[in-house]
This record gives sequence, structure tokens and C-alpha cells, in this order.
Amino acid sequence: ELKVEQNPLFLSMQEGKNYTIYCNYSTTSDRLYWYRQDPGKSLESLFVLLSNGAVKQEGRLMASLDTKARLSTLHITAAVHDLSATYFCAVAITSGTYKYIFGTGTRLKVLA
Amino acid sequence: DAGVTQSPTHLIKTRGQHVTLRCSPISGHKSVSWYQQVLGQGPQFIFQYYEKEERGRGNFPDRFSARQFPNYSSELNVNALLLGDSALYLCASSPNRAGGFLGNEQYFGPGTRLTVT
Repeated sequence: ELKVEQNPLFLSMQEGKNYTIYCNYSTTSDRLYWYRQDPGKSLESLFVLLSNGAVKQEGRLMASLDTKARLSTLHITAAVHDLSATYFCAVAITSGTYKYIFGTGTRLKVLA
Repeated sequence: DAGVTQSPTHLIKTRGQHVTLRCSPISGHKSVSWYQQVLGQGPQFIFQYYEKEERGRGNFPDRFSARQFPNYSSELNVNALLLGDSALYLCASSPNRAGGFLGNEQYFGPGTRLTVT
């Protein structure tokens, strides 16, 4: 069974600090997605990573994908309060019946 | 342009009842996917439809069914509601044949909050 696990589940950090969220998945996939969800809101797409070694950056967030290690990271640089949200990674399985599996989520709180 | 729309916004049902949730994709998008998000958890994939055909299915019982109409809108139906069906139901649309599976982004609607009492 495909599992997508994120680490940590909860993260409280000071403004200005750097930190990394990890996303491990248990089966072969070269399609990895990152989303942001604010409390009571829907999901906002952040990054789509489609190949081994892919790296994408937007503002203070940078995502990377290592398909051989089945690992994606979301790095936060110089965190600001506005980044407080829950972050999800998701993996697509395209062989056979399509499935789309979300990770457990990382709840990030940036303290002023 | 309007984003993905879902109706109703909130819904309260009793155990054993049936519910229909509706989704209209972004104009020009032909793929619709449905997800269930229980409070405090990540979304769980239920179905993906393209051109009125089911293209993907998650691990949900047969009480859950869906369909897509010629205008690409979609309905999710849940029969014999259980307390555990209480969740936020999210719809996402994507422009391409395989939806989000071949790398294209999915655009999520605001969701329908279903409460089963």
C-alpha cells in the first residue's frame, strides 16, 4: 500500500529562521506536488515536481525531488508569519488505475 | 475567470440518508477529481473523471459514486451516510485528459462541509 509520510507533523518556528519539511513516499513515482492549506480554506497549489532532481522556488519556499530516495523536501528560508499554514505533499500513481495520495500534512506556525 | 465552484457550502444530514454534492470546474477544464478531508487529516482521493468516464478511484466503499456530465460538471453521491462520512469534500479540476496525474496542476474548489448526525 502506498504511504506518503511527512516530517514533522507540527512545526513552530521563529520568524527569520530556516527549516525543512520532509516528504517520504513508499512507491515509485516521479510526480510530486506540494500544497498549502489555511485553516478552514481549500488547497492552494505551490509546486509540481516532475523529475528526479527537480527544484522549484517561489519566494521563501523551495521544493526539491529525489525520486531514487523517494523523498521531497520543502525548504523555508527566513520564515515570516504569513507562511503559517498546513503544508501537504501528494504523489500521483499513474500505472493501472490512477490514484492520488496526500501526505499527513505539516502544520507550520511562525512566531513573531 | 471563475474558479472551481461547489455546492452546497454546508450540509447537515442524518445517518442513513443520501447526499449529492455538486462541482463545476474551471471553464475549459475537462477533468474533475473528488477528495474527502476529515478534520485534522490530509485529503483522501475518491474519484477522478474525464470526459464522463471514471479514470481513477481511491479506497472508498460502493456507497460513494460519482458522475460527470457533458458540460464537465460533476456530482458526488453518498448513500447510507455514516457518522464517519462527516468531512470537507473537495473538488478539483484540471485541463488535461489525465487530470493532475501527468503533472498538470489541480485547482481546488472551496469544498462542501458535510456533517452527519
